[in-house]
Amino acid sequence: DSGVTQTPKHLITATGQRVTLRCSPRSGDLSVYWYQQSLDQGLQFLIQYYNGEERAKGNILERFSAQQFPDLHSELNLSSLELGDSALYFCASSVVAGTPTDTQYFGPGTRLTVL
Amino acid sequence: AQSVAQPEDQVNVAEGNPLTVKCTYSVSGNPYLFWYVQYPNRGLQFLLKYITGDNLVKGSYGFEAEFNKSQTSFHLKKPSALVSDSALYFCAVRQAGTALIFGKGTTLSVSS
Repeated sequence: DSGVTQTPKHLITATGQRVTLRCSPRSGDLSVYWYQQSLDQGLQFLIQYYNGEERAKGNILERFSAQQFPDLHSELNLSSLELGDSALYFCASSVVAGTPTDTQYFGPGTRLTVL
Repeated sequence: AQSVAQPEDQVNVAEGNPLTVKCTYSVSGNPYLFWYVQYPNRGLQFLLKYITGDNLVKGSYGFEAEFNKSQTSFHLKKPSALVSDSALYFCAVRQAGTALIFGKGTTLSVSS
């Protein structure tokens, strides 16, 4: 158990809908990363937050957004969902941001199915 | 641009035999390299990382990895494979200030 929690484990929804995925980092970690894992794209970095502030953006669609709250938990919001958004979404956390020695610890993921 | 390549989609070994999962990287500047393992329906688990220093890095569950700068490789190894090592293995690279860039993964299958 990495200490990173994600809810829900599974999410089934329809095209055009909006969902929110939640992540709680390990105790003491200030940085949260979101990744998407799909069969065709593999594991891709979406976005990073550090202590409430957006730190880096990857291949995140404009329909997707995220935030990190004062208690350091993070939410990833996915809107106008399409079939291609079906994937496993991982959250990872680390103590700081941008330090080479910093290890990212991953949560168990949320499996999103868009029908 | 940074990238990681895992040239083998699948590696098959017999239990008790040594295993190697290959990874090569391309970065400008110093590479910071990681290995993660993913079991079915589970998240990624951190195995080990290379930051600097010894080229042989020891990690969790008896795994180790050899960093070779001239060959730009970071192969994952284990002297004696277990059936329970069967999983999906990811190599990743990170430069300071950036997120992880993952390879496409290698499925390790250990037969009894």
